[in-house]
Amino acid sequence: EAEVAQSPRYKITEKSQAVAFWCDPISGHATLYWYRQILGQGPELLVQFQDESVVDDSQLPKDRFSAERLKGVDSTLKIQPAELGDSAMYLCASSLSDRNTGELFFGEGSRLTVL
Amino acid sequence: AQSVTQLGSHVSVSEGALVLLRCNYSSSVPPYLFWYVQYPNQGLQLLLKYTTGATLVKGINGFEAEFKKSETSFHLTKPSAHMSDAAEYFCAVKLGFKTIFGAGTRLFVKA
Repeated sequence: EAEVAQSPRYKITEKSQAVAFWCDPISGHATLYWYRQILGQGPELLVQFQDESVVDDSQLPKDRFSAERLKGVDSTLKIQPAELGDSAMYLCASSLSDRNTGELFFGEGSRLTVL
Repeated sequence: AQSVTQLGSHVSVSEGALVLLRCNYSSSVPPYLFWYVQYPNQGLQLLLKYTTGATLVKGINGFEAEFKKSETSFHLTKPSAHMSDAAEYFCAVKLGFKTIFGAGTRLFVKA
């Protein structure tokens, strides 16, 4: 069964350091999402891509976060510099299209701890 | 603006008892509705979804949910809880190209 791949699964870093997460969506899925999930809360959308274009990054803290999906396939989310409040699970998801009725398929997530 | 409210951050039931997790949404038009489940340190996986048609939808692991437009609700139920159902459950709505999630309800199942 096709899956969304994410790495690393766990990352511990010190504040002010740079950190990057990688996501490879299910083959053929045009839409890719990065969500942040703080412990005890629901996922919050950070950025949404349709192919290589950003559809929504209104909740992305652009002073320190960046995301790219250069060839419309895999994607990288970067944080520089990391802050204590960035400790969370970063979830990548994909779907066939942002206009269909279909569900999101999630990866296992990347758990970030900032010390 | 659309929003999702899940009543009760924690629900505890005995094994074999009815499970009821509540979800209400706010939207000017009926959205597409979903329930996802999340096990510890894992991503979310779909339990069931409502798009159009029959308002009672069945999902995996014996769960079902009923869309009630008049109540703007999409509550999740399961007749008999199993220990393996212990997890966090998220209600989500999709309107247009955006999917937003509720805060989640953690289900505890007691032996």
